[in-house]
Amino acid sequence: EAGVTQFPSHSVIEKGQTVTLRCDPISGHDNLYWYRRVMGKEIKFLLHFVKESKQDESGMPNNRFLAERTGGTYSTLKVQPAELEDSGVYFCASSQLGVSSYEQYFGPGTRLTVT
Amino acid sequence: SQKIEQNSEALNIQEGKTATLTCNYTNYSPAYLQWYRQDPGRGPVFLLLIRENEKEKRKERLKVTFDTTLKQSLFHITASQPADSATYLCALLNRDDKIIFGKGTRLHILP
Repeated sequence: EAGVTQFPSHSVIEKGQTVTLRCDPISGHDNLYWYRRVMGKEIKFLLHFVKESKQDESGMPNNRFLAERTGGTYSTLKVQPAELEDSGVYFCASSQLGVSSYEQYFGPGTRLTVT
Repeated sequence: SQKIEQNSEALNIQEGKTATLTCNYTNYSPAYLQWYRQDPGRGPVFLLLIRENEKEKRKERLKVTFDTTLKQSLFHITASQPADSATYLCALLNRDDKIIFGKGTRLHILP
């Protein structure tokens, strides 16, 4: 069974540009989460989808970040325009609904560098 | 605000010994506590979950304790091996599924 995949693995952009990160969850996982780790800090929750609906987006830093999950399958996280402080590693995770929802499977992350 | 502290940034343990990692938290009453392993360039991998009404949980060479009075969890790896070298993350969550992570402890098992 394929795990959670993320694309790209690494992105370097200039301040003011736009970047879109993609996450493909494990097939059949209705829960999809985005997290971010800024250098020297802990991994922090950004938002949670259940199927195509945003269940909780309380961790999104500001309105420069837009997450979508069309059709309840893969998800994208767009940063527009990117700022220096957006640099970090963005992780996606997925889990099943129900009793197994607490076991989240993480992707390898996308390392975003804004220069 | 909610805070998780993991005892040290890095820990060196001799192969074969038991590694013990500590996680303390404040301003939070989690329903669950998890431990993850993270290797360089990879995402966290779920290891164990322990519920607030459980004192201890074991899985192969791993043992986790959860003391809600002390607001502390201990994570033990017995008979440690060099392959156990990684960063270990403590994480708390409530029933809304939002995970709060600690910064992690880098564990080095010395051959």
